[in-house]
Amino acid sequence: GQNIDQPTEMTATEGAIVQINCTYQTSGFNGLFWYQQHAGEAPTFLSYNVLDGLEEKGRFSSFLSRSKGYSYLLLKELQMKDSASYLCAVRETTSGTYKYIFGTGTRLKVLA
Amino acid sequence: EAEVAQSPRYKITEKSQAVAFWCDPISGHATLYWYRQILGQGPELLVQFQDESVVDDSQLPKDRFSAERLKGVDSTLKIQPAELGDSAMYLCATSGGQNNYEQYFGPGTRLTVT
Repeated sequence: GQNIDQPTEMTATEGAIVQINCTYQTSGFNGLFWYQQHAGEAPTFLSYNVLDGLEEKGRFSSFLSRSKGYSYLLLKELQMKDSASYLCAVRETTSGTYKYIFGTGTRLKVLA
Repeated sequence: EAEVAQSPRYKITEKSQAVAFWCDPISGHATLYWYRQILGQGPELLVQFQDESVVDDSQLPKDRFSAERLKGVDSTLKIQPAELGDSAMYLCATSGGQNNYEQYFGPGTRLTVT
């Protein structure tokens, strides 16, 4: 079956580092995505991992371990504008097409 | 920069009425997704098109929801009759361009059923 788990809510302080974990169980794995979603807005793409290891993009990094079904999103030098929900999503291939399965999201609050 | 367009942005309707949402994908994107997102949850796939063909509608409540993409370009999602539990954000996303791994979301339609 398909299952994606991530914490419901996290709180961190401005300037700090926060790690948001995601575990998944899926078939036909073809990549793991992280999206940022501010309240009332559409998700925006942050990162993509298809091979094991760390992908770094500015203040954001994402890690994947396919054998463990595990990923994390690392946010450095937190800013107030980083307060948002962070969605972990797994892409599966099925009959030659891609399907995305989303977790419930982690709501991050950045405090001054 | 090309964007996915959706309309309307907001819709308030009474239960038992019909509602329709429209999505215009980024040009050249063959795959189009309709998601429903209930407050506090992640997006849930309702229907997925590859060009004009439905490839996955297993989570679409077919007794009241319908979707079409007649010419393989823009798409409509319809609910008839609407129920209170349909209140949610309806997101359209597309993929299949040069950057094939990325899914691009439209701004969404916020539906409130009263």
